[in-house]
Amino acid sequence: KAGVTQTPRYLIKTRGQQVTLSCSPISGHRSVSWYQQTPGQGLQFLFEYFSETQRNKGNFPGRFSGRQFSNSRSEMNVSTLELGDSALYLCASSRGQNTGELFFGEGSRLTVL
Amino acid sequence: QKEVEQNSGPLSVPEGAIASLNCTYSDRGSQSFFWYRQYSGKSPELIMSIYSNGDKEDGRFTAQLNKASQYVSLLIRDSQPSDSATYLCAALLYGQNFVFGPGTRLSVLP
Repeated sequence: KAGVTQTPRYLIKTRGQQVTLSCSPISGHRSVSWYQQTPGQGLQFLFEYFSETQRNKGNFPGRFSGRQFSNSRSEMNVSTLELGDSALYLCASSRGQNTGELFFGEGSRLTVL
Repeated sequence: QKEVEQNSGPLSVPEGAIASLNCTYSDRGSQSFFWYRQYSGKSPELIMSIYSNGDKEDGRFTAQLNKASQYVSLLIRDSQPSDSATYLCAALLYGQNFVFGPGTRLSVLP
């Protein structure tokens, strides 16, 4: 059974640019959530999607957005990148909306120069 | 503000000893609790979940939950060097998002 797949794994951007990250959940999982992980802040919740609808949103500025497609694949976008956006972005899938266990992808490591 | 607190460590134990990891949470409405293990440079992986008061055992791992004290713990028996990792505690309030603690770094010394 394939796990959660995130692309790209690594990327380097400059300030002001935008970035789109992709996540394919485990087959049959309908919920996808996104987290930002930094050494200083730990794992911070960004948002959760279930059945193509954003169900929960964390305390991040509007530059961070996402969406989910009918096949449960999800993308997140960060516009007008800032140095502080450098982080590991983790996607996690679960069977239902915020129930049960989360299964994480390997993450997309973003470096903003 | 929902919070999950953990001692950041590092917690060092000798090989074969019991490692005890602790976690407290602020939201009394939290219903489900999870322990994730994260190796350096890797993503978190679920090792235990616990939903009701008491102990839950899985192999060398035992999770303990005390909702009255808002306290969750993870015991690792017969600790091995391969257990060296950061352990993340997470709380879930149904219908809301997971809240993760900052993690405790465990080092098992051969």
